Amino acid sequence: DIQMTQSPSSLSASVGDRVTITCRASQAISNYLAWFQQKPGKAPKSLIYTASSLLSGVPSRFSGSGSGTEFTLTISSLQPEDFATYYCQQYKSLPLTFGGGTTVDI
Amino acid sequence: EMQLVESGGGLVQPGGSLRLSCAASGFTLSGNWMNWVRQAPGKGLEWVANIYKDGSEGNYVDSVKGRFTISRDNAENSLYLQMNRLRAEDTATYYCVWRNDFQFWGQGTLVTVSS
Repeated sequence: DIQMTQSPSSLSASVGDRVTITCRASQAISNYLAWFQQKPGKAPKSLIYTASSLLSGVPSRFSGSGSGTEFTLTISSLQPEDFATYYCQQYKSLPLTFGGGTTVDI
Repeated sequence: EMQLVESGGGLVQPGGSLRLSCAASGFTLSGNWMNWVRQAPGKGLEWVANIYKDGSEGNYVDSVKGRFTISRDNAENSLYLQMNRLRAEDTATYYCVWRNDFQFWGQGTLVTVSS
């Protein structure tokens, strides 16, 4: 199974900060990587697929990069509505696996 | 407006069965893989199963193989998960998710396995 490791597991930030979350795969997954945002009590929401493609309607302050085994999600200027937990996920091979999550709080 | 609405969750005793449903509206499920993902209370996300666009292939995480069956009815624009021999560790919110790159999620249905 491909293990997905996110870092950090949590971070504290302020509105306007630039935030970067890293996701590492235990083996190469090309660009078969997605990022999700989840707020408490809500379903996850897809932000990015194929490592860097932004879904329609997702603010441009979100961006993704990487290929192979190392990936990043960047929020260029953190907004109040961005405080949430973020997950990465590989869909290169079965079983599909998620990172452990990164909680972004104040 | 795109919607995925799960139903069928609830309280069930260990060893029991439940059938989850996921109804799509505003778009068609056919033509894309569909998935079930679960999240235990206070925990992270776990992929459970997926099914090919025509229903001819299903895949499962090891912990549910032989107990869960994923199916779909493209005419009804719906996805299903039959869960048998339920265990306490199956307690979770179950989400249906559209596409193999997980672009759209339902709101989830809670399954609680407890005596």
